[in-house]
Amino acid sequence: AQSVTQLDSQVPVFEEAPVELRCNYSSSVSVYLFWYVQYPNQGLQLLLKYLSGSTLVKGINGFEAEFNKSQTSFHLRKPSVHISDTAEYFCAVRENTGNQFYFGTGTSLTVIP
Amino acid sequence: ETGVTQSPTHLIKTRGQQVTLRCSSQSGHNTVSWYQQALGQGPQFIFQYYREEENGRGNFPPRFSGLQFPNYSSELNVNALELDDSALYLCASGSTSGGFNEQFFGPGTRLTVL
Repeated sequence: AQSVTQLDSQVPVFEEAPVELRCNYSSSVSVYLFWYVQYPNQGLQLLLKYLSGSTLVKGINGFEAEFNKSQTSFHLRKPSVHISDTAEYFCAVRENTGNQFYFGTGTSLTVIP
Repeated sequence: ETGVTQSPTHLIKTRGQQVTLRCSSQSGHNTVSWYQQALGQGPQFIFQYYREEENGRGNFPPRFSGLQFPNYSSELNVNALELDDSALYLCASGSTSGGFNEQFFGPGTRLTVL
């Protein structure tokens, strides 16, 4: 079965500093990759997705992620975070042969003023 | 364009009871998926419905069942509730024209089982 690992459960970072949230997955088939953000008491909002093509994908709110097939990783980055980026971030994977999304356990990003 | 809506927002039940959660898909979408998100965990796929039939299921027992209606609204039914069923239940709608590649999530229903 597919598994998604988010290596950091909590990431504190100062405002305007860069941040990287790590995600690794296990799959022997081609996958589609996603990052979602969840604010308190809300559902999930799509930040960005990788389907094919360029391995560097840009999303909303200044986030970007890079797909690395050899390392089976899809790390999320932002060069300068804001207080409003404080939220829970989830990495998700879907195999191209199925319709099920597999989610990681999430990374709680806290931006410190 | 309306988003995905879910009702109720919160629900408290006791062990052994049955519960029905409702979801209204985003306009133009024809698939709906349900996820269970336990506290501190990522969402876990329960099942997906397409053309009013179950179209894939995760590792959940048969007491979790669903319905999709012609207007693309959906229900999640859980029988014989257990304490571990306490979670946030998320509904996500999507479109087959998008190749199942994107799902739009509702705000969720918080179920507490006592």
